[in-house]
Amino acid sequence: ETGVTQTPRHLVMGMTNKKSLKCEQHLGHNAMYWYKQSAKKPLELMFVYNFKEQTENNSVPSRFSPECPNSSHLFLHLHTLQPEDSALYLCASSQGGRGADETQYFGPGTRLLVL
Amino acid sequence: GDSVTQMEGPVTLSEEAFLTINCTYTATGYPSLFWYVQYPGEGLQLLLKATKADDKGSNKGFEATYRKETTSFHLEKGSVQVSDSAVYFCALGETSGSRLTFGEGTQLTVNP
Repeated sequence: ETGVTQTPRHLVMGMTNKKSLKCEQHLGHNAMYWYKQSAKKPLELMFVYNFKEQTENNSVPSRFSPECPNSSHLFLHLHTLQPEDSALYLCASSQGGRGADETQYFGPGTRLLVL
Repeated sequence: GDSVTQMEGPVTLSEEAFLTINCTYTATGYPSLFWYVQYPGEGLQLLLKATKADDKGSNKGFEATYRKETTSFHLEKGSVQVSDSAVYFCALGETSGSRLTFGEGTQLTVNP
């Protein structure tokens, strides 16, 4: 596989469930990102990892917990979510460390529905 | 803080029409500017970018010029195709790191 892959593509969960989203990049990049895409709103950056270290948490509620075990994998652990958390969750990666002109490469996203 | 304002959609055009999607930004420093495109059921992919003032990014017939004096990065295409139907996002790369700030996106539909 090439590029950025995400699993599962679709997820339905109850508010008391625990689930995890997985992202894998095959581009040799060192930075990875989680974004939330909701209808009629700009993409919201959630977390940034550079060289496996979390460098940004954009005031995300603690019911979202990221994990980056290595430069190729990124997880988003979900626990006691709310219906308003239903959205498309996008993972992205970039070379890392190059600053403002870096191109980010996105996965296809996980469509999450919280009941 | 930095921000991006995009032309509101949706935009509906006939095939071969001229396309303009406006994008203006507010930023400190010297950001890079990007256009990303999202086709139905897919993630975002880079369409074009410009890293400094007066640069023109181009790809697949789309163009955008980085205008510092008007803080704009408008997307244009001379003749759109049905396959260009997608959501287009303008984005700004902050000079302090690799964070991207996105506009709200503009839905484009091209009819045959």
